[in-house]
Amino acid sequence: DAKTTQPPSMDCAEGRAANLPCNHSTISGNEYVYWYRQIHSQGPQYIIHGLKNNETNEMASLIITEDRKSSTLILPHATLRDTAVYYCIVRPRDDMRFGAGTRLTVKP
Amino acid sequence: DAGVIQSPRHEVTEMGQEVTLRCKPISGHNSLFWYRQTMMRGLELLIYFNNNVPIDDSGMPEDRFSAKMPNASFSTLKIQPSEPRDSAVYFCASSPLAGPTGELFFGEGSRLTVL
Repeated sequence: DAKTTQPPSMDCAEGRAANLPCNHSTISGNEYVYWYRQIHSQGPQYIIHGLKNNETNEMASLIITEDRKSSTLILPHATLRDTAVYYCIVRPRDDMRFGAGTRLTVKP
Repeated sequence: DAGVIQSPRHEVTEMGQEVTLRCKPISGHNSLFWYRQTMMRGLELLIYFNNNVPIDDSGMPEDRFSAKMPNASFSTLKIQPSEPRDSAVYFCASSPLAGPTGELFFGEGSRLTVL
């Protein structure tokens, strides 16, 4: 019962912005959009979350469309260390299930 | 601050043996999650606890798997008897909030190989 759709893979040039899209057309009013990433075999790492407003922190920016049916995670200046699988999750907090994610490869 | 601590980091065992994985959540966190990751199935939620109480164990694959949280600082995931298809990386995660804005903090995982 995937609630999000992400492209399976993307490439990005080092130093450029990486824009990772996520579709969540069935999102409910009380559901947040979360982004995590998993570098190699490490545990997933929280990046950012939002409800309806755009959000920014030291790692990334999250842009959520006005109808909340899609969002974009932006890594403003991608580095080689940002190569990872990025997961977009739309769930009540107590049901954090991960999909397949997007494998982002940052190339020199 | 110590993060989520899992042990063992690596476990190799033979089919039929009992396996116990352990997790110490971050102090003060009141939610704990167990996940399993394989190449074929990705990252699967097995069970989660709120305030030491199991809330949803629908992801537990079968009766061979059991999880407990006897207190706020310790949880175990047990597989008895283990089978080769249980080989995976098992992650534990904890969260500081019971509301909708909590973020998960993951441990480094326990890599299980069942021969």
